[in-house]
Order: sequence, then C-alpha cells, then structure tokens
Amino acid sequence: EVQLVESGGGLAQPGKSLRLSCTASGFIFSDFWMGWVRQAPGKGLEWVAHIKKRGDDKYYVDSVEGRFTTSRDNARNSLYLDLNSLRAEDTAVYYCVRLWDGDYYDYWGQGTLVTVSS
Amino acid sequence: EVVMTQSPATLSVSPGESATLSCRASQSVGTNLAWYQHKPGQAPRLIVRGASTRATGCPARFSGSGSGTEFTLTISYLQSEDFAVYYCQHYKNWPLWAFGQGTKVEMK
Repeated sequence: EVQLVESGGGLAQPGKSLRLSCTASGFIFSDFWMGWVRQAPGKGLEWVAHIKKRGDDKYYVDSVEGRFTTSRDNARNSLYLDLNSLRAEDTAVYYCVRLWDGDYYDYWGQGTLVTVSS
Repeated sequence: EVVMTQSPATLSVSPGESATLSCRASQSVGTNLAWYQHKPGQAPRLIVRGASTRATGCPARFSGSGSGTEFTLTISYLQSEDFAVYYCQHYKNWPLWAFGQGTKVEMK
C-alpha cells in the first residue's frame, strides 16, 4: 500500500524557516517524480514544487521560487521541503504528492499545517 | 499560462441525483486533465486522469469527458460519500500545472 506521511509543520514567525519531511512507503521511491501541493485556509489547491526521480531537476511555482527548496533522499525514501523567508501567505496545509509519469498526482499524504504568524 | 475555471462554485444535489461539474481551460490542454475529490480533513484523491479514465478504485458512477478546453465530470446517483470539493487540474504545459478553484458538491 502506498503511503506518504508528512511531518515538520507548525508555527513559524514571518521571515523564519521550517523544514517539511515526507516519508514514503509501499513503492519504489526512486522510480517516481515527487512534489508538494498546498492549500491555504479557505482556498483551493496550488502546486508548490516538483522534483524529478534523481533530484537533479526541480520546479517551483513563482510565488516560492528562491525561498523554498525541495530535495530528496532516495536511500531514505524521503522528500523534503525547506521553507525559508516565510510569509503570512505561506500559511497552508502542505501535501506530499507522488506524480505518475511526471503528470498527475496519483497519491497524496494527509498533509501538515504550516502557520506563519508573529 | 493556462488558467482553469470551474463552474459552478457550489452545486446542491440530493442523494440519488446526478451532478455535472464543468472545467474550462484558457487554452487547449488536449486530454491532459485530472479530477480530484477532496473531503475536509482528508487527503485529496485522484478520481479521473486523461480526462476520461477513472483512477483505480474509483466507482463507475464517476464519469469524465471532454478534450481541448471543455471538460465535464458527471457523478451519477450521488452517494453520501460523494459530497466533497472537486478540483480539475491540467498537466499539459509541463511543468506549469494548474488547478481550477474547485466545485463544492453539497447535500440539498
């Protein structure tokens, strides 16, 4: 059974940093693109970052480019999202997602809440 | 940039009835379109990919159609577990994926 379990969310002050982690199981992690999707309170879904199988190519939505960094450790079946220079508008539930063939999101984690507030 | 627009924002339906949700793309995305179901406090779930192919485990009462710029998700004979928010998402202009703003299907 495919499982994606996020951790690392919490309260952070504006300008500060957080690191989110996602532990994957039930599939060969290194065979799949992975990514992060978020949902701000009362808003819809927004893709945040994608990372290719070997971690050599990464893509970010414009609003987080230069502030967020995604990475992966295929030996540990883990995906990471470093959130730097946090802003109030980064407040959201962040979902770890698996991409099928680099296209749609076929599996989602339960999400971890990030709250940015002073 | 492709913009996805869903309508209506909210759909009030009685159990046993059908629901038709629309998704429009600002330019053609072919059949590179997925639909997701999202219930409060739960992980979103893929229900349709390739515009019309049901995901594994998705009940047959869910039906996706369309291509190019116009897409439809039809839920026949709505069950209580189908009340949720539904999002469309294109994956045509790699890597600039985009979601629609969602349609909430609520009980009438």
